[in-house]
Amino acid sequence: TQLLEQSPQFLSIQEGENLTVYCNSSSVFSSLQWYRQEPGEGPVLLVTVVTGGEVKKLKRLTFQFGDARKDSSLHITAAQPGDTGLYLCAGHPPGQGAQKLVFGQGTRLTINP
Amino acid sequence: DAGITQSPRHKVTETGTPVTLRCHQTENHRYMYWYRQDPGHGLRLIHYSYGVKDTDKGEVSDGYSVSRSKTEDFLLTLESATSSQTSVYFCAISSGGAWTEAFFGQGTRLTVV
Repeated sequence: TQLLEQSPQFLSIQEGENLTVYCNSSSVFSSLQWYRQEPGEGPVLLVTVVTGGEVKKLKRLTFQFGDARKDSSLHITAAQPGDTGLYLCAGHPPGQGAQKLVFGQGTRLTINP
Repeated sequence: DAGITQSPRHKVTETGTPVTLRCHQTENHRYMYWYRQDPGHGLRLIHYSYGVKDTDKGEVSDGYSVSRSKTEDFLLTLESATSSQTSVYFCAISSGGAWTEAFFGQGTRLTVV
């Protein structure tokens, strides 16, 4: 069982549609991060959310940190083929060492033209 | 781009042989990580280091050891490779703090036959 559970694991939609992916945990995190990974590359940070209830926007991407700091969501508006990739949430598990960084299993997103 | 290099980028080895993967950074970051990536599992933490000669286990450390004798190098060793260790291995670095960015290498694809 992973500390961070992402859903869905796979999502394939048409260009122009909206989507939301989720990252959930039973533990409280001081912050959560979202990374995006393209084939053959390492993940790259998109955003860090640190305050319960926080909402951050990055162009068409909206990130939210749950009020209880146990979950986060990524919403993409008007998805484009360039959004295709693997989206990973990550965080430092509470009480396990401040720099132990763990990831969810990822959501593989495909945007079809 | 963060100065982080993994070597080799690809390796095929036989079951039972020892294998060492190298991660080299030029950023002088304190924290270094080794992950493995397999379909459906996202990134799973193998070991991490929080300073020279300071390392700790991650979620999937069995069959792996690490060493960090210099700030810039973090070595991952498979003592006796098994087919279940066929995977893509990523190294990451971070300067520290719960919300600092982790920078990733480009990965090493290891196949154990």
